[in-house]
Amino acid sequence: GQQLNQSPQSMFIQEGEDVSMNCTSSSIFNTWLWYKQDPGEGPVLLIALYKAGELTSNGRLTAQFGITRKDSFLNISASIPSDVGIYFCAGRAPGSSNTGKLIFGQGTTLQVKP
Amino acid sequence: EAQVTQNPRYLITVTGKKLTVTCSQNMNHEYMSWYRQDPGLGLRQIYYSMNVEVTDKGDVPEGYKVSRKEKRNFPLILESPSPNQTSLYFCASSNRPPHEQYFGPGTRLTVT
Repeated sequence: GQQLNQSPQSMFIQEGEDVSMNCTSSSIFNTWLWYKQDPGEGPVLLIALYKAGELTSNGRLTAQFGITRKDSFLNISASIPSDVGIYFCAGRAPGSSNTGKLIFGQGTTLQVKP
Repeated sequence: EAQVTQNPRYLITVTGKKLTVTCSQNMNHEYMSWYRQDPGLGLRQIYYSMNVEVTDKGDVPEGYKVSRKEKRNFPLILESPSPNQTSLYFCASSNRPPHEQYFGPGTRLTVT
């Protein structure tokens, strides 16, 4: 079945640094979503992307829907300690709008050193 | 406050003892879904529901049942739990067509 490759698996950075993570797929998607999961909580939606090439920001977060429709990236600028958590990408393939089926990446664990 | 709620948050049970995990949303969403999250396997869809009385299997439906008698509720039923169903479970909901899905806080289930 379809899979998403999310990288890196984990990051340990200094507070104030910028962060970049990405997801790639072997097939095209028509929706990309980025979620953050704090320990003991459910994933929280950060950014949703619906068009190839779309670039969307949410505060210090910026995400882009790749032109090829097979990838997406998430950037976090000027990281702070509360950015700690697991970040997931999720994609929806063409034809799956009725099922709502999302394919999830494996997650990027972010740790921020104050 | 718009939210998805799940109960219980934590549950330890024994093999074969039927259990139900409840899910409720107050956003009038038509679409609801259940996922399980396991280390190294990410989030996998168990069942989903497009509307009241409309449910369908996801990727890993074996050993689970669901019902959608009301729009706001979507319980997950384990008729005879087994240890391989030990996992972290999430309920999610969204508007139709299913766009951004909003997740509940999770239910950590341990089956011994």
